[in-house]
Amino acid sequence: EVQLVESGGGLVQPGGSLRLSCAASGFTLSSYWMHWVRQAPGQGLVWVSRISSDRDGSNTIYADSVKGRFTISRDNAKNTLYLQMSSLRAEDTAVYYCESDVGWGQGTLVTVSS
Amino acid sequence: QSALTQPASVSGSPGQSITISCTGTSSDVGRYNYVSWCQQHPGKAPKLIIYDVSKRPSGVSNRFSGSKSGNTASLTISGLQADDEADYYCISHTSSGTSVFGGGTQVAVL
Repeated sequence: EVQLVESGGGLVQPGGSLRLSCAASGFTLSSYWMHWVRQAPGQGLVWVSRISSDRDGSNTIYADSVKGRFTISRDNAKNTLYLQMSSLRAEDTAVYYCESDVGWGQGTLVTVSS
Repeated sequence: QSALTQPASVSGSPGQSITISCTGTSSDVGRYNYVSWCQQHPGKAPKLIIYDVSKRPSGVSNRFSGSKSGNTASLTISGLQADDEADYYCISHTSSGTSVFGGGTQVAVL
C-alpha cells in the first residue's frame, strides 16, 4: 500500500526553524516528483516547493514566498522527503502536506507564534 | 503566478453529473498535460483523484473523470453521491517549473 506520513510539525517562535519529514512506503520516492503544499487555517491549498525525480535531475524549486528560507531535500536510503524551514514567520502557519502522483500525506501542523 | 480559476461552488442532485472547470493560461494548463485534481473533505487531508489530466489512481472510482481543452481543464463527477460533497482543487505544472493551485470548488449534493 502506498503511504506518505509527515512529521516534524509543532509550535515555533517567529524567526525559528523546523524540519518536516515525509516518510514514503509502498513506492520509491526518488522515482517521483515530490511536492510540499500548505494550507493555512480556513484557506485553500498553496504550492510550496518541488524536487524532481532522480531521473530528471533532482532539481528543486520554490514558491516566491519561501524562497531563500525553505529547502527541500530527499534521502533515498530512508525513502524520505524533507522540508527544512528557517526564518519562520506567522504567515507560514499552516498544515503542510507532501504529495505526488501517488497520493497525499495526512499533513503536519506548523504554528509560528510567540 | 496567479491561481487557476475555479467556480466557488457547484451543486447537483444525487445521481446527476456535475463538471468543475479549472481555467489557466497557455503557460500552465494549456501548455502541459500535468493537471491533477484532489478532493478534500472537511478537516481531512486531500485525496488525489486525477493526475496527468485524465488518469485515475488505483482505487479511485471511475465516476471521476478528467479532461482538458485549451487552457481549461475539467473534472466530471457522474452518478453524484452524498460522499462526493467536498472541496475540489485543480493543480497544474507551470512554464516556470512551479505548480499552481486553483482556488477550490465546494461541491454540494442537494
